[in-house]
Amino acid sequence: QQPVQSPQAVILREGEDAVINCSSSKALYSVHWYRQKHGEAPVFLMILLKGGEQKGHDKISASFNEKKQQSSLYLTASQLSYSGTYFCGTCKAAGNKLTFGGGTRVLVKP
Amino acid sequence: DAGVTQSPTHLIKTRGQQVTLRCSPKSGHDTVSWYQQALGQGPQFIFQYYEEEERQRGNFPDRFSGHQFPNYSSELNVNALLLGDSALYLCASSEQAVSNQPQHFGDGTRLSIL
Repeated sequence: QQPVQSPQAVILREGEDAVINCSSSKALYSVHWYRQKHGEAPVFLMILLKGGEQKGHDKISASFNEKKQQSSLYLTASQLSYSGTYFCGTCKAAGNKLTFGGGTRVLVKP
Repeated sequence: DAGVTQSPTHLIKTRGQQVTLRCSPKSGHDTVSWYQQALGQGPQFIFQYYEEEERQRGNFPDRFSGHQFPNYSSELNVNALLLGDSALYLCASSEQAVSNQPQHFGDGTRLSIL
């Protein structure tokens, strides 16, 4: 079953923060985050395994609450380069396939 | 170090035809996954190949089939094309288990069905 992302879209000014949520109705083994710019391939950001660890990539970080089956992606002090569509992908078990959400469109304006 | 390469970049077909898309994984990767991405939506998992066998499959009809070669490259075949098959087809490679490994995506093949 496809994870649900919210919000569907967000517009930011450079330097502002944003949070993107990814929720699943099933227990999760891992959550993956990717960013896709228009006309380009999705690019890997980070993986979070069950255990609640938080990871970071530059000023983009994420958390994984396995009890709530929810992950959040934090965009801190956003830059113009953060614009794109962010997808979360979820795996229900080790070795399982990746199921992507519908995406969150992020536009960072000067 | 070459990343994931896909060919062709664009393809136009008519209903009922068949098509073959090709993918070469990133060096060192042995697992290839194929996704279909409709405009404005997230990638939908088609199937995954490892050690020349289909390891997992998504909710796609048998018209979608694939193959992995000994050099880890892969093909996606679609028979009896429908208008609804128009989409961007993405190939992604990884080291074995996708569940805890990053996937590297190719730029995709844009398939248009007339």
